[in-house]
Amino acid sequence: DAKTTQPNSMESNEEEPVHLPCNHSTISGTDYIHWYRQLPSQGPEYVIHGLTSNVNNRMASLAIAEDRKSSTLILHRATLRDAAVYYCILRALAGGTSYGKLTFGQGTILTVHP
Amino acid sequence: GAGVSQTPSNKVTEKGKYVELRCDPISGHTALYWYRQSLGQGPEFLIYFQGTGAADDSGLPNDRFFAVRPEGSVSTLKIQRTERGDSAVYLCASSQSAGVYNEQFFGPGTRLTVL
Repeated sequence: DAKTTQPNSMESNEEEPVHLPCNHSTISGTDYIHWYRQLPSQGPEYVIHGLTSNVNNRMASLAIAEDRKSSTLILHRATLRDAAVYYCILRALAGGTSYGKLTFGQGTILTVHP
Repeated sequence: GAGVSQTPSNKVTEKGKYVELRCDPISGHTALYWYRQSLGQGPEFLIYFQGTGAADDSGLPNDRFFAVRPEGSVSTLKIQRTERGDSAVYLCASSQSAGVYNEQFFGPGTRLTVL
């Protein structure tokens, strides 16, 4: 299975942008890049996903490198509520051991300062 | 609408006992997943169902763990002869189907403590 690597922790100030990196150098051509986050004492929640092109939604943006070996989750204006563990996860389009399930790593603990 | 619900929210049991954890998925979701999360770790996949059948049970740690989803809706995770190492938060998630385009919606989890 392709693996992802993320920094253990990052810090930001409120209302500033946050760029959370993820390396996935062994990604296959049909693996989608998904991001979930887990707020304290809650289950994870979906943030965004993409394949090749950059993606935007109401929560965040996802910037994917041209060679797809890395990606960055962008929170445009961090709020205190964005303090969470952020997980970068690869999901297979069809078949394979990463189909269906989510394989979580350690994630990045984001701390947001007032 | 209602999200994924899990009962009980907390369960304390003694080593060697049997426990059942229940998950009510979002109505209409055909895929249902079980994960467990130990303190300081990311969630670890256990099993997922597509409809009534287990599509992938490769994450179940041993034969003390078993899960069912007899009518394709509610699921029960069953743990026999519990051990202290089974203590964790057990998370359930559901999605419209198992495909990569479908986000998984997680419940709040059941915190299991084995004394």
